Amino acid sequence: EVQLVESGGGLVKPGGSLRLSCAASGFTFTTYTMAWVRQAPGKGLEWVSSISSTSRYILHADSLKERFTISRDNAKKSLYLQVNSLRVEDTAVYYCARDHFFDSWGQGTLVTVSS
Amino acid sequence: QAVVTQEPSLTVSPGGTVTLTCASSTGAVTGGHYPYWFQQKPGQAPRTLIYDTGNKHSWTPARFSGSLLGGKAALTLSGAQPEDEAEYYCLLSYNGVRVFGTGTKVTVL
Repeated sequence: EVQLVESGGGLVKPGGSLRLSCAASGFTFTTYTMAWVRQAPGKGLEWVSSISSTSRYILHADSLKERFTISRDNAKKSLYLQVNSLRVEDTAVYYCARDHFFDSWGQGTLVTVSS
Repeated sequence: QAVVTQEPSLTVSPGGTVTLTCASSTGAVTGGHYPYWFQQKPGQAPRTLIYDTGNKHSWTPARFSGSLLGGKAALTLSGAQPEDEAEYYCLLSYNGVRVFGTGTKVTVL
């Protein structure tokens, strides 16, 4: 069974940083492109970034690429999102997903940016 | 960055048919945008229903279908069930950069 489990969310002050993680199991992680998607409370979905299986290709949403960095460690079967210079409007649930027809999603990790 | 627009809300009667659409600010939606459709219920992660315009996952109920219609991507629900009440999002790809639609709240009433 495919499983994606996010972690690393929490309460952070504006200007702070976090590193979100997504642990993958139940499939050959090394062969799949992966993605991060976020959703602010009561709002719609927003694609954040995708990374190819070997990290050769990385794409970010234009509005976020200066502060958000996606990466992966295939040996650890893990996906990461480094988020810097956090703003109140970055408050959201952050989902990781298998970017293979977006066929699998984690349950998300909540990031709250507040002073 | 492109803006992808959906109807804010639609209502369908049980057993009825409704079509949701997904428009791109850059022009007509084509197969090259690889349209996706997602269903999300409160408190749950999204679930993909349709990928690449009209392809279904194994879990996608047969009553959902995807297509291109009048320059937009479209999701048609035929024979609506109470459990289909949810938020629906489309996703378009612009040379790999993905943009979600604004979402449509579907009420079955």
